[in-house]
Amino acid sequence: DAGVTQSPTHLIKTRGQQVTLRCSPKSGHDTVSWYQQALGQGPQFIFQYYEEEERQRGNFPDRFSGHQFPNYSSELNVNALLLGDSALYLCASSPGEQGRYTFGSGTRLTVV
Amino acid sequence: QQQVKQSPQSLIVQKGGISIINCAYENTAFDYFPWYQQFPGKGPALLIAIRPDVSEKKEGRFTISFNKSAKQFSLHIMDSQPGDSATYFCAASIINTNAGKSTFGDGTTLTVKP
Repeated sequence: DAGVTQSPTHLIKTRGQQVTLRCSPKSGHDTVSWYQQALGQGPQFIFQYYEEEERQRGNFPDRFSGHQFPNYSSELNVNALLLGDSALYLCASSPGEQGRYTFGSGTRLTVV
Repeated sequence: QQQVKQSPQSLIVQKGGISIINCAYENTAFDYFPWYQQFPGKGPALLIAIRPDVSEKKEGRFTISFNKSAKQFSLHIMDSQPGDSATYFCAASIINTNAGKSTFGDGTTLTVKP
């Protein structure tokens, strides 16, 4: 049984560029949440998608946007990248909008 | 405002010893308290979780103790092993109102010496 799959695993982008990260949730899970984890810190909530709608949003600017597809997979888009956006981006899926997450291994984004 | 405070930041324990990590929260609406284990290069993995209607939950060598009045909860790892060396995160969320985002602590890096 595949868990949460994220792609790509690593990414290097230039300041000002745009990036799209992808996530396939665990089988049977219909809710996807995205987290940003800076080095040495705990994950910070970006937003959550359920039934193809953004249900909750953390304290992140509009440069961060997302989408959920009918098959429950999700994308995270970040525009106008800043050096401070360098982090590990984690996708977590859950059955329903509960906090019982299964996390993917993340996408390591480096902005230079 | 940091709603979940975790301590210590790092912990070194001898093999066979007990590891204890503490967390304190502020929002009394939180009703689900998981602990996650994260190895380098991996995402966090759910270890054990507790709801506020019980004071303790045990799964194998891992125990959560919960003190609702003090708004504190802790993870105890009995008979700690070198393979337990990882970063541990506590978290808190509200699940009853379909607001399932989790607020994480800053993590504790555990090193178990052989």
